[in-house]
Amino acid sequence: DSGVTQTPKHLITATGQRVTLRCSPRSGDLSVYWYQQSLDQGLQFLIQYYNGEERAKGNILERFSAQQFPDLHSELNLSSLELGDSALYFCASSVGLAGVDGELFFGEGSRLTVL
Amino acid sequence: TQLLEQSPQFLSIQEGENLTVYCNSSSVFSSLQWYRQEPGEGPVLLVTVVTGGEVKKLKRLTFQFGDARKDSSLHITAAQPGDTGLYLCARTGGTYKYIFGTGTRLKVLA
Repeated sequence: DSGVTQTPKHLITATGQRVTLRCSPRSGDLSVYWYQQSLDQGLQFLIQYYNGEERAKGNILERFSAQQFPDLHSELNLSSLELGDSALYFCASSVGLAGVDGELFFGEGSRLTVL
Repeated sequence: TQLLEQSPQFLSIQEGENLTVYCNSSSVFSSLQWYRQEPGEGPVLLVTVVTGGEVKKLKRLTFQFGDARKDSSLHITAAQPGDTGLYLCARTGGTYKYIFGTGTRLKVLA
């Protein structure tokens, strides 16, 4: 158990809909990262927050947005969903910003299926 | 944009065989990490390498960081079915984010 909690574990929805994925980081971790993993793919970085502020952005679509709340949990909002958005979405946390030997702790992921 | 290329993409071997997977980049790493992801789970950190030429061992796994810090390899000796999974290398990007490689999917057959 990494200590990172993601909900829901599975989600099935239709094209055009909007969903929210939730992540609770490990106790004490200030950084939260979101990644997308499509079938047989590596991890695509979406966005990173540190102590409530956005710190880095990857190839995140404009239809996607995220935030980190004062209690440090984070939500990833996906809207106007398309078939190609079907993927595993991972949240990871770390104590601080990405340092030389910082470790990422991953949740078990949220599997999104868009029909 | 994928900054880290891993090879091979897929590997299926028999129990007891040795194997090596590679992680390459056109730019220098400040540090590099290897993660393993098992089916239905998130990736878990195996090792961090920092110094060019560094070699680290974790039981049957040997990790090497290239002298020029632009590549790394993971060698598994006498692979076991429990080694099955997706192996990912990762580097910290210029602005705090972790960039992951394309991954090597390993299957070890009993």
